[in-house]
Amino acid sequence: DTEVTQTPKHLVMGMTNKKSLKCEQHMGHRAMYWYKQKAKKPPELMFVYSYEKLSINESVPSRFSPECPNSSLLNLHLHALQPEDSALYLCASSQDPTALDTEAFFGQGTRLTVV
Amino acid sequence: AQSVSQHNHHVILSEAASLELGCNYSYGGTVNLFWYVQYPGQHLQLLLKYFSGDPLVKGIKGFEAEFIKSKFSFNLRKPSVQWSDTAEYFCAVTPGTGFQKLVFGTGTRLLVSP
Repeated sequence: DTEVTQTPKHLVMGMTNKKSLKCEQHMGHRAMYWYKQKAKKPPELMFVYSYEKLSINESVPSRFSPECPNSSLLNLHLHALQPEDSALYLCASSQDPTALDTEAFFGQGTRLTVV
Repeated sequence: AQSVSQHNHHVILSEAASLELGCNYSYGGTVNLFWYVQYPGQHLQLLLKYFSGDPLVKGIKGFEAEFIKSKFSFNLRKPSVQWSDTAEYFCAVTPGTGFQKLVFGTGTRLLVSP
């Protein structure tokens, strides 16, 4: 199983809503990532979890709140988002954040629209 | 800070034409290099990767890339493209000291006409 599964695939939310994006992997990977991809742009790193601990926060606004309940799951809690937060949110995982030769596996993403 | 440049933003080729997509990075230390492909409506998939050793690496679907350290480049090549290669291609870099921050280039949108 080399899949990273993200739910939901599509999400429309209002600016006062609270929603969560979910990501799951069963490859035994110990690093998990959230990326944001705007239309016609490359993915941009948001957060990195290493062994279930937040190791990198790329100065992401607090209206995005990540959570890693266990080594297989990664959530992104959303609250009071703005229309400009509309994007494709990608989850990824990799085997070991300290390994010198590893690669990231990406999910299909959640396409988020904030209205 | 690391950065990755892909100079070709849009490429249009006919089937059977040869492909070369440029990628340059700015990072002084050891790097790991990747090419990812994003087919329309699909997730990012790894085409190939370079960690060390032979600078000419072969990937899936007939793609290859050459790491030229002196030029800070990692260009992607394919001798003969197919219509199914229509996709967006991203070069990406992470420091060779550990996989944490994968930095992507701006992407090249390839359109192959039948």
